[in-house]
Amino acid sequence: QSALTQPASVSGSPGQSITISCTGTSSDVGSYNSVSWYQHHPGKAPKLIIYDVSNRPSGVSNRFSGSKSGNTASLTISGLRAEDEADYYCSSYTSSSTYVFGTGTKVTVL
Amino acid sequence: EVQLLESGGSLVQPGGSLRLSCEASGFTFSRYAMTWVRQAPGKGLEWVSGITDSGGSTYFADSVKGRFTISRDNSKNTLYLQMNSLRAEDTAVYYCAKGNGGWFDPWGQGTLVTVSS
Repeated sequence: QSALTQPASVSGSPGQSITISCTGTSSDVGSYNSVSWYQHHPGKAPKLIIYDVSNRPSGVSNRFSGSKSGNTASLTISGLRAEDEADYYCSSYTSSSTYVFGTGTKVTVL
Repeated sequence: EVQLLESGGSLVQPGGSLRLSCEASGFTFSRYAMTWVRQAPGKGLEWVSGITDSGGSTYFADSVKGRFTISRDNSKNTLYLQMNSLRAEDTAVYYCAKGNGGWFDPWGQGTLVTVSS
């Protein structure tokens, strides 16, 4: 199972919005709504920020939103803040009854 | 508060074995599927294995299939990952996470496994 494809890096200024794409195939992203997103500050535990494509867990800022079209899922961070600087990973259930993560995106707040 | 505490990571020689543990607290462990995810140095996250709430079904990434075994002891609120025939490419921080039904939340802090001679 190949990793889902994410841009290696995305940057934005404070207050701006950025979008991270996550491209898979018809065997994963395209066929299931079990797409989730994780924020990972190095040295800490990854944190769930979006589940089932577009749902936010309790306590996660509404500045984070998710969507999906075809084989590509997207995470949008609006009103970018310094604390949003981290690595972000998407994940999808697959037709093999396994999961696959994205390649990861480093978000830099300029 | 849900807490997951991994342990068992260490330096091991290629071909060796290691068992990781993940002690859970703050939720009814026996009601939830559980998952292991790893991150090799400088690399991204990789899903490794998952197990259903009862332990009746297990799932593995192709990269570890036949070498790793996942199990749980619901009486001890503990998840395990038995790793055999370890390779250099298994070197990673191993995280356990609650869930295997679409998303993983929360995650533990991880335990480092280093495979090297």
